[in-house]
Amino acid sequence: AQTVTQSQPEMSVQEAETVTLSCTYDTSESNYYLFWYKQPPSRQMILVIRQEAYKQQNATENRFSVNFQKAAKSFSLKISDSQLGDTAMYFCAFMKTQGGSEKLVFGKGMKLTVNP
Amino acid sequence: KAGVTQTPRYLIKTRGQQVTLSCSPISGHRSVSWYQQTPGQGLQFLFEYFSETQRNKGNFPGRFSGRQFSNSRSEMNVSTLELGDSALYLCASSLRGASYYGYTFGSGTRLTVV
Repeated sequence: AQTVTQSQPEMSVQEAETVTLSCTYDTSESNYYLFWYKQPPSRQMILVIRQEAYKQQNATENRFSVNFQKAAKSFSLKISDSQLGDTAMYFCAFMKTQGGSEKLVFGKGMKLTVNP
Repeated sequence: KAGVTQTPRYLIKTRGQQVTLSCSPISGHRSVSWYQQTPGQGLQFLFEYFSETQRNKGNFPGRFSGRQFSNSRSEMNVSTLELGDSALYLCASSLRGASYYGYTFGSGTRLTVV
């Protein structure tokens, strides 16, 4: 079974700074997908970024980028120029497509606070 | 376009009762999944439906059931509620190929069992 580990339960950062959230996972699969989701106090999970395991190039979405190290099974998220609106729970998630089914396995999450 | 809509937003039930939660996916999305979120266990997968068929089920007791209708709307039911069923229940929808598009989540139903 796949597992996802987020070892830092909580972090804080000053506005405009850069912060990196760590995530490791365990799988024997070679083809899979990785995601970072953000959950603000509104409770809605919002997709931040996704990475395909077969792509060596790290995904980037505006201020968000990942450092994907497949051999090390590591998938960290870097947030540049942090904004107050980035304050939220962040979840790392793994997806393996299995017989057409696509379920997410989530880490425990990390609470990020951006301070003014 | 409208997002994933979950109703009700909040629910309080008594132990032993049953409850039905509803999820309306984004128009055109045929895949619907349910997740349970608790402080202790985090986010856990409940079910996945595609075109009215259950494609996958998580490790939950038989008291948890679900279904999907022809218009892709989905319901989940929990019978004989226990205190431990108190949680945020999240519904997510996707076009076929959630690995590519990612799931869009609703804001959840907060269930409290007393």
